[in-house]
Amino acid sequence: DTEVTQTPKHLVMGMTNKKSLKCEQHMGHRAMYWYKQKAKKPPELMFVYSYEKLSINESVPSRFSPECPNSSLLNLHLHALQPEDSALYLCASSQPASGSYEQYFGPGTRLTVT
Amino acid sequence: DAKTTQPPSMDCAEGRAANLPCNHSTISGNEYVYWYRQIHSQGPQYIIHGLKNNETNEMASLIITEDRKSSTLILPHATLRDTAVYYCIVRVPGGYQKVTFGTGTKLQVIP
Repeated sequence: DTEVTQTPKHLVMGMTNKKSLKCEQHMGHRAMYWYKQKAKKPPELMFVYSYEKLSINESVPSRFSPECPNSSLLNLHLHALQPEDSALYLCASSQPASGSYEQYFGPGTRLTVT
Repeated sequence: DAKTTQPPSMDCAEGRAANLPCNHSTISGNEYVYWYRQIHSQGPQYIIHGLKNNETNEMASLIITEDRKSSTLILPHATLRDTAVYYCIVRVPGGYQKVTFGTGTKLQVIP
C-alpha cells in the first residue's frame, strides 16, 4: 500500500470557523509533511514531523496548527483563516531512515476561505 | 540546496519521446537529482532519481551529464496521461527532507 489519503477533498469555511484537515498513511513512514500550493505555483513546505515530533516549521502563521497524534496520522487544524489562505493543501510522507528520498503525496484538500 | 532551472513549458507529440532538461550547475558531490511530476489537481508523484549514472525504471529514464551540471528526464513514449508539470529537485538523500520545488516544466502531450 503506497497510498496517502486526505480528507476532506474539498472544504469551504468562513473566516471565523474552526476546521481540521486529516492525512493518513499506512506505509510505516515516520516523516510526514504539510505543503500549501496556490494556483499555478509549486508546492511550498509548511511543516515536517519526524517520529511524531515537529521538526520543521516554515514560519507558518499560528492560525495553522499541525498535530501528529501517531505515526500514521497527521492533522492540520485551521482557525481564523483569511481568504488568501485558500489553496490546495497537500500531505506527504517518507521514510527518514531510507537511503533514498521519495515522498509520497496525497491527493490534497482544496480549501476555500470565504 | 542547489538551484535548478527548467524551461517553463514544452510540447510533445503523443507516442514520441519527451525529453525534459534540467540545469543544476551548482550541484554538490553528495546531492542527487530527483524528478517528480504533478498531474493537474493531484499530488506530486515521484518518478526517478540518480546520482551520476544513468537510471531507468518503468516510468522514465534519467540521463545525467558527466559533470553533473545538467540532466534530462526521458519519457520514451509519451501519452496524453503524461501531461503534467515536471519538477527537477536536487537534494541530499535520507532523513526528513525540506524539499524546495522549483517552477517546473509544464509538458503538454499533443494527440
